[in-house]
Amino acid sequence: GNSVTQMEGPVTLSEEAFLTINCTYTATGYPSLFWYVQYPGEGLQLLLKATKADDKGSNKGFEATYRKETTSFHLEKGSVQVSDSAVYFCALSNYGQNFVFGPGTRLSVLP
Amino acid sequence: GVTQSPTHLIKTRGQQVTLRCSSQSGHNTVSWYQQALGQGPQFIFQYYRKEENGRGNFPPRFSGLQFPNDSSELNVNALELDDSALYLCASSVDSGTDTQYFGPGTRLTVL
Repeated sequence: GNSVTQMEGPVTLSEEAFLTINCTYTATGYPSLFWYVQYPGEGLQLLLKATKADDKGSNKGFEATYRKETTSFHLEKGSVQVSDSAVYFCALSNYGQNFVFGPGTRLSVLP
Repeated sequence: GVTQSPTHLIKTRGQQVTLRCSSQSGHNTVSWYQQALGQGPQFIFQYYRKEENGRGNFPPRFSGLQFPNDSSELNVNALELDDSALYLCASSVDSGTDTQYFGPGTRLTVL
């Protein structure tokens, strides 16, 4: 079945550092890939998505590229802020069905 | 946006619980997820036009309803300690649409 693997956290960075959170997946067909963010005490917010190979999703300075050859969708940001501290989830879906989420990676950004 | 009630709930083992979700306006599809502490959300089931439209690996004591106004309920019978979790609902425009909007969740504690 489908599955998502993320790098284990927590990840602790200083403000303005470069961020990479690795995500790899196993899926049948051609899934859509997502990054969601969860701030303390809140539900999940869609951060970005990509629906086919080589697509790049981007939002709020975050980027991720759908790499079918390596089955990866790594999240990157060039300069993190304290306000980016949250838990980040990689996820996949086939045509809006059966979303599968990774375990999440907690990011802490220190001033 | 998507709203959920109640915010928190405490039950004892063996009891039954009903959680409620109000979809975003114009959305006809609702999905429910269970998020255990420190883990990613696990797909429970999806409702589309009042019919169950996909189910994850959850037993039949997890059941749902979707109402004409597209609001939804998650019912859990015979509660077990492991049912303690954050329950999230998410709505989308259509069952084939991969963009979901999440509510803030209901925190269920089973003692």
